[in-house]
Amino acid sequence: AQTVTQSQPEMSVQEAETVTLSCTYDTSESNYYLFWYKQPPSRQMILVIRQEAYKQQNATENRFSVNFQKAAKSFSLKISDSQLGDTAMYFCAHAGLFGNEKLTFGTGTRLTIIP
Amino acid sequence: NAGVTQTPKFQVLKTGQSMTLQCAQDMNHNSMYWYRQDPGMGLRLIYYSASEGTTDKGEVPNGYNVSRLNKREFSLRLESAAPSQTSVYFCASSSTSGFTNEQFFGPGTRLTVL
Repeated sequence: AQTVTQSQPEMSVQEAETVTLSCTYDTSESNYYLFWYKQPPSRQMILVIRQEAYKQQNATENRFSVNFQKAAKSFSLKISDSQLGDTAMYFCAHAGLFGNEKLTFGTGTRLTIIP
Repeated sequence: NAGVTQTPKFQVLKTGQSMTLQCAQDMNHNSMYWYRQDPGMGLRLIYYSASEGTTDKGEVPNGYNVSRLNKREFSLRLESAAPSQTSVYFCASSSTSGFTNEQFFGPGTRLTVL
């Protein structure tokens, strides 16, 4: 079974600074997907970024980027030029390669951006 | 496109009462899921339906039943609610075509069992 571990329950950073959220996972599969989801106070789950394990290039989406280390089973999220709207819970998640694969979530990191 | 909708948004039950949480998606997705979110535990899968007519247990299925009514709708039923089922419940859906494997989530239902 897959497991996903987020070792930072809470983090805070000044507005405009860069912050990195950590995630490690365990899987016996060689190909899979990894995700970062954002959950603001509205409770809505929002996909931030996705990484396919068979791609060596790290995914980027505007101010969000990942550092994917397949051998180390590490998948960290970097938020550059942080904004007040980035304040949220962030969940790392793993899923198998095919479209009906269920997600395994980490326990989340509560990120607060300080004005 | 409404995406994934859930009703109700909030519900308070007494121990032993029953209720059904409704979920519908308009994205023509084959797969649908029910998760629960508890403080400090992330989201955990209760049941999922890989396609219309099939359902399977997830990580925490005890005390719940599901029905995949048609391709659009996937309901979650609590037959006899218990305080341990106090949680936020999320429905999600995904497509089995293509290889993005992205799940789209509903807005959640906050359930309190007294």
